[in-house]
Amino acid sequence: DAGITQSPRHKVTETGTPVTLRCHQTENHRYMYWYRQDPGHGLRLIHYSYGVKDTDKGEVSDGYSVSRSKTEDFLLTLESATSSQTSVYFCAIRIPGLAGAGELFFGEGSRLTVL
Amino acid sequence: AQRVTQPEKLLSVFKGAPVELKCNYSYSGSPELFWYVQYSRQRLQLLLRHISRESIKGFTADLNKGETSFHLKKPFAQEEDSAMYYCALDAGNQGGKLIFGQGTELSVKP
Repeated sequence: DAGITQSPRHKVTETGTPVTLRCHQTENHRYMYWYRQDPGHGLRLIHYSYGVKDTDKGEVSDGYSVSRSKTEDFLLTLESATSSQTSVYFCAIRIPGLAGAGELFFGEGSRLTVL
Repeated sequence: AQRVTQPEKLLSVFKGAPVELKCNYSYSGSPELFWYVQYSRQRLQLLLRHISRESIKGFTADLNKGETSFHLKKPFAQEEDSAMYYCALDAGNQGGKLIFGQGTELSVKP
């Protein structure tokens, strides 16, 4: 199994405070992703990275920023958390496939509550 | 626009009954499609991909380009199949992003 860990796994914070979620992988995969999971919306892509210092926006990037200074770490930052950002956040890495598209391997999720 | 639609939020069946979870996609090229599953309190994991034409845990899915569908089927549901199921599309974008549907919760009753 690909090694991927997220931290923290649970966090409660107040509106207006900054929050950083960390995704760490152990296998030097190039592509990393941050998704949020919400009932009725499924998983929506926030940001993704295709290499060190190479990142791009997903469909719901407003209010979020990311950084990737090392291959193994992909950080998601909420500069000023809002209640609408209460969600479960999943990090994923892309594992190259033998044929066709590769597989996404997900972390265990980080549950964020913004009061 | 590229889109994945799962019309059913919840599907409830009895053990032993057939199951079909619907997935429709919108994409003009040659799509690569996946089904992911999330069991209670676990991470999402790949169930199957259309390119492999495989059967996993008794589930199969056939890509129908004419109907732009990729429905997931199992002839006899088991209680352990209860989970959240997501259909996903890889539209060949830069970055290898997957576009997910809204998800269908499958509940298999004894």
